[in-house]
Amino acid sequence: DGGITQSPKYLFRKEGQNVTLSCEQNLNHDAMYWYRQDPGQGLRLIYYSQIVNDFQKGDIAEGYSVSREKKESFPLTVTSAQKNPTAFYLCASRDLGQGAISNQPQHFGDGTRLSIL
Amino acid sequence: GQSLEQPSEVTAVEGAIVQINCTYQTSGFYGLSWYQQHDGGAPTFLSYNGLDGLEETGRFSSFLSRSDSYGYLLLQELQMKDSASYFCALFTGGGNKLTFGTGTQLKVEL
Repeated sequence: DGGITQSPKYLFRKEGQNVTLSCEQNLNHDAMYWYRQDPGQGLRLIYYSQIVNDFQKGDIAEGYSVSREKKESFPLTVTSAQKNPTAFYLCASRDLGQGAISNQPQHFGDGTRLSIL
Repeated sequence: GQSLEQPSEVTAVEGAIVQINCTYQTSGFYGLSWYQQHDGGAPTFLSYNGLDGLEETGRFSSFLSRSDSYGYLLLQELQMKDSASYFCALFTGGGNKLTFGTGTQLKVEL
């Protein structure tokens, strides 16, 4: 089945440690996105990428980094500079369709819950 | 930038109809989407309005009025499994991004 796989499901970070969250998709989608969700809140965009080897900052990029070396993969690193990393992290992908502007929906992975030890 | 407001909670009984409103402020957008998220799960796409008016998909309908900066999601024949959070989101072409509202938690009671 096609879909988005995020791993791990749960992750714990020690003080001063960088951690990397994995996101892999086999939907052949061009665009991929990382969101952060805090309890009772909406999704806030961290980073997004529309094409391999290119990505842009979202609304809350500070303390995070990404790479897009392959179309299928868009890993997110939560660096030690992110002082409040405890949250639910969601990865999504989207088919850009026949043009950049289309109403193709975003497809989400099951998320990774990150906590501080 | 964009901002979207939704009621934080709505409660309704099984079999009823419920409307979840979304008001927004934006300098420009292509459409308004709706997503459903069960506790701890992945958001799933429900509906998209690129034009003003009503879009119907089974028990769910969504409406957009650009002149009023307003949209809503209408859920009919409510079922217990509809208990979830519902998010409206503005689709902006620059970067093909979605900006999400804070979400409405729907509780369906017997």
